[in-house]
Amino acid sequence: GENVEQHPSTLSVQEGDSAVIKCTYSDSASNYFPWYKQELGKRPQLIIDIRSNVGEKKDQRIAVTLNKTAKHFSLHITETQPEDSAVYFCAASPNYQLIWGAGTKLIIKP
Amino acid sequence: GAVVSQHPSWVICKSGTSVKIECRSLDFQATTMFWYRQFPKQSLMLMATSNEGSKATYEQGVEKDKFLINHASLTLSTLTVTSAHPEDSSFYICSATDPSGSSYNEQFFGPGTRLTVL
Repeated sequence: GENVEQHPSTLSVQEGDSAVIKCTYSDSASNYFPWYKQELGKRPQLIIDIRSNVGEKKDQRIAVTLNKTAKHFSLHITETQPEDSAVYFCAASPNYQLIWGAGTKLIIKP
Repeated sequence: GAVVSQHPSWVICKSGTSVKIECRSLDFQATTMFWYRQFPKQSLMLMATSNEGSKATYEQGVEKDKFLINHASLTLSTLTVTSAHPEDSSFYICSATDPSGSSYNEQFFGPGTRLTVL
């Protein structure tokens, strides 16, 4: 079955700098790759997603890149702000289920 | 659109009692709903996939007799934790997919239920 690995587990960046979180997946059948942001005690919120027929997608300060050959995808956040502090999860979907990464705690230092 | 509600938001119960959690899709019909459990500082763990009108499909290691799932309508799925014990204390989150939407894989999450078993 699908396996998703996510790195790093914790990322601390200076406010205004960029943050990059990386994920790899194992199942070449996966065709949908969402990224979720979760604040403490709250539900995961979809922040961006990408499908396997696209290599890159951008939405303001957030971008996702996908390399199907290498089976990895990355989340890029530019000009980080204090409100970006949260846990971020990647996921891969080979069918109707989501296979989740372990999460990355993003800390924005003032 | 695509709003999912969950009730209750938190519950405290005594060991040995049963607790029912409801998950509703408010503005769409959800043929498939998912139940997750999340322990502190961990990722979401899929417990089961619930399809309207049929038995839920449980993930390996999840006891179907302990975690009863009912998906009797296109807008409601329930999870009952039977004979709850302290180790069942966790954050339970449901999600649903909207087959009529353009993003058929996207899951819409409920706000979660914090269960504490004393």
